[in-house]
Formats: sequence, C-alpha cells, structure tokens
Amino acid sequence: AQSVAQPEDQVNVAEGNPLTVKCTYSVSGNPYLFWYVQYPNRGLQFLLKYITGDNLVKGSYGFEAEFNKSQTSFHLKKPSALVSDSALYFCAVRVSGTYKYIFGTGTRLKVLA
Amino acid sequence: GAVVSQHPSWVICKSGTSVKIECRSLDFQATTMFWYRQFPKQSLMLMATSNEGSKATYEQGVEKDKFLINHASLTLSTLTVTSAHPEDSSFYICSAPESGNEQYFGPGTRLTVT
Repeated sequence: AQSVAQPEDQVNVAEGNPLTVKCTYSVSGNPYLFWYVQYPNRGLQFLLKYITGDNLVKGSYGFEAEFNKSQTSFHLKKPSALVSDSALYFCAVRVSGTYKYIFGTGTRLKVLA
Repeated sequence: GAVVSQHPSWVICKSGTSVKIECRSLDFQATTMFWYRQFPKQSLMLMATSNEGSKATYEQGVEKDKFLINHASLTLSTLTVTSAHPEDSSFYICSAPESGNEQYFGPGTRLTVT
C-alpha cells in the first residue's frame, strides 16, 4: 500500500532561518510526489512536484524539495523563512496509474518574528 | 495555473435538509474530479472520484446514498449531502487534474449543519 508520512505535527522556526518540513513515502514503482500549502479556511495551493529528473526541485514562493530515493524522503525546504510562510503544509503521493492522491497528515509551520 | 472554483464557500443548513456544492474547472476540462473532506486540524480524506458521464467511485466507508455526486459536464461536478446531520459538518474540497500531473484544488466549502 502506498503511504505518506509527515512525522512532525508542528515546526517552529525563527524568521530568516532556514526551514525544513519532513516527508517520507512508501510507493510501488516510481513516485510522483507533491507539496501543497493550505492557509486557514482555504483550499490547497500547489508548491512543487517531483516526477522525474533532478532530485532538487524548485517551486513557488522560494520553496524547494529534495527527493532522496534511498531514504524515501521528499523534505520541503526554504533557505530563509518568512512570517507569511506560516501555514499548514501537506505532502502527497499520486497513486500509480490514477490521479488519486494520498496525503500526509500535514505539518503546521509557524514562523516566529 | 489552472483554476478550480467551488460554490458556495460557506453554507449553513438545518438537520435533515440537503445541500449541493458545486465544483467547476474554469479554464480547462476535467473528465475526473475528486471530492475530499477535511476535519478541523486534520488531513484531507478522499471521499470519491467523480467521472464525467458515468457513476462516481466512492472510497471505502463513504456512503454513496448520502453523498451524491454528479459530473454532468467536463467542467462541473456537484456533491449533494442528503439528509444532512451535524456530524456532516466539515470542510469539503474538490480537485481536478490538469496536464502536468498535479491536482488543482478548489477553495473549499465549509458546511455547518445545525
């Protein structure tokens, strides 16, 4: 069965510091991996995806993610956090052969001024 | 990027009544759309896959007679919560895949059943 794990319910980071939000996955075959951000009472906004190619994927708002096949991880990173980055972040994997997504449980990022 | 809209954004209904939520792809066609449910501070739970011109596919444990899905056109899917009860109160989100493999999500509909 395919699954996604986000081991941290919440991550706190000081403004200007680098941030990492962790995600590990379990899939059969090649993984299609995604990161989304959700602000309160809003839908999800696409940040970035890994399908194939370079392991370092750059996305929206200065975010990037590193695909690590040996560690089955796809951690989200940003070199310098902003207070406005505070939100709920979801990692997701696409089920092979479908457009269905499996979401992680989400990580709440809090950037402190 | 592609845009998916939902209507209404917020609805309050009385217990026992039905409420319809619309999901539209505004600038692309979507033969498939997805409906999710999100409880406070929790992840998204896939409820069903909406297929244009055919029956929806429901995830295990989701009552298809309670959550009626109709995908009548390539840009519109509707979710009708029938005989709503307070436990159906939730945030409902739809999504549609566009070229490039990623899903585009609607802004969500908050349903409150009193």
